[in-house]
Amino acid sequence: EVQLVESGGGLVQPGGSLRLSCAASGFTFSSYWMSWVRQAPGKGLEWVANIKQDGSEKYYVDSVKGRFTISRDNAKNSLYLQMNSLRAEDTAVYYCARGMQQLPNFDYWGQGTLVTVSS
Amino acid sequence: EIVLTQSPGTLSLSPGERATLSCRASQSVSSSYLAWYQQKPGQAPRLLIYGASSRATGIPDRFSGSGSGTDFTLTISRLEPEDFAVYYCQQYGSSPGLFTFGPGTKVDIK
Repeated sequence: EVQLVESGGGLVQPGGSLRLSCAASGFTFSSYWMSWVRQAPGKGLEWVANIKQDGSEKYYVDSVKGRFTISRDNAKNSLYLQMNSLRAEDTAVYYCARGMQQLPNFDYWGQGTLVTVSS
Repeated sequence: EIVLTQSPGTLSLSPGERATLSCRASQSVSSSYLAWYQQKPGQAPRLLIYGASSRATGIPDRFSGSGSGTDFTLTISRLEPEDFAVYYCQQYGSSPGLFTFGPGTKVDIK
């Protein structure tokens, strides 16, 4: 069974940093693109970043470029999101999502971790 | 940047009725890249349809997708109580946002 379990969310002050983790199991993690997708309270979904199977390609939505860094450790079946210079508008539930093979959609999602940026 | 618009914003229907949800793109989208997701309160999104018309694993056949170019449709043939949720379309395109979601359509009980 495919499982994605996020952790690392919490309350942080504006300008602060946080590192999210996503532990994957039930599939060959190193064979899939992985993404982070977020959802602000009461709002829709926003793709944040993704990373290729071997980590050689990474892409970000404009609003987080230069502040967030996506990474992965295939030996540990884990995905990460380092978030720096956090802003109030980064407040959201952050989901880890697996990319479909051969298609740019997301077939499995974690339950999400809440990040709240507030003083 | 491709913008997705979903309509209606809210659809109020009764169990057993047919639901027709629209997703319109600001420019042509490859059908291969268009997906639909269902999200219930407090839950993660679930993939329903990919490639505009292919059902994901385990999705009942009352869900169907169609469309091409700029106009796509998700149809739920007969609403079951568990189908009342928010539905998002999603596409893949060029930068700045590689992946774009529509704003969602809420299907609620009439």
